[in-house]
Amino acid sequence: SQTIHQWPATLVQPVGSPLSLECTVEGTSNPNLYWYRQAAGRGLQLLFYSVGIGQISSEVPQNLSASRPQDRQFILSSKKLLLSDSGFYLCAARRGRGIRGEQFFGPGTRLTVL
Amino acid sequence: QKEVEQDPGPLSVPEGAIVSLNCTYSNSAFQYFMWYRQYSRKGPELLMYTYSSGNKEDGRFTAQVDKSSKYISLFIRDSQPSDSATYLCAIHTNAGKSTFGDGTTLTVKP
Repeated sequence: SQTIHQWPATLVQPVGSPLSLECTVEGTSNPNLYWYRQAAGRGLQLLFYSVGIGQISSEVPQNLSASRPQDRQFILSSKKLLLSDSGFYLCAARRGRGIRGEQFFGPGTRLTVL
Repeated sequence: QKEVEQDPGPLSVPEGAIVSLNCTYSNSAFQYFMWYRQYSRKGPELLMYTYSSGNKEDGRFTAQVDKSSKYISLFIRDSQPSDSATYLCAIHTNAGKSTFGDGTTLTVKP
């Protein structure tokens, strides 16, 4: 079965500090990978998605970047955090190809920028 | 206008009630419809999916899609306190991306 690991689970960082969130996927190969951010009481905002190693698509202009150095590793980064970067960050992988698009999610990282 | 609009809630019902959760969407290219359940401080988990108009049942849960009205619903029968969570509708295109509603928070009181 597919499993997504994310770490850390929670993070408190000062404004202006760098960020690195890591996501690894088990149980599937060559998945589509996604980074979402969820604000309190809100839905999921797609930040980045990747269809393969080194292939990153950005959905919204922002202070963040993503990289995919290995097939099942997805990293979210920032050089200088802003207060508005606070939120719940979720990594997801898409099961299968074609029309079926259900995604499965990791446990998330709760980021607070102070 | 958002591509997916979800009834905002929150919703509070007594145990045993029938719950109806609803979303509308604007893009007729959407082809695949999903419902996720998210417990507090956890990642969402897929609850049900369907790609055709009509009803799909899974135990106490029924997903309903009306493509002509661009309307999707999730019904929960005999609701239980363990159903208390935020429910997210999600709609998918062949482009490989999903668009999520903002979620409806449900509380089932014993």
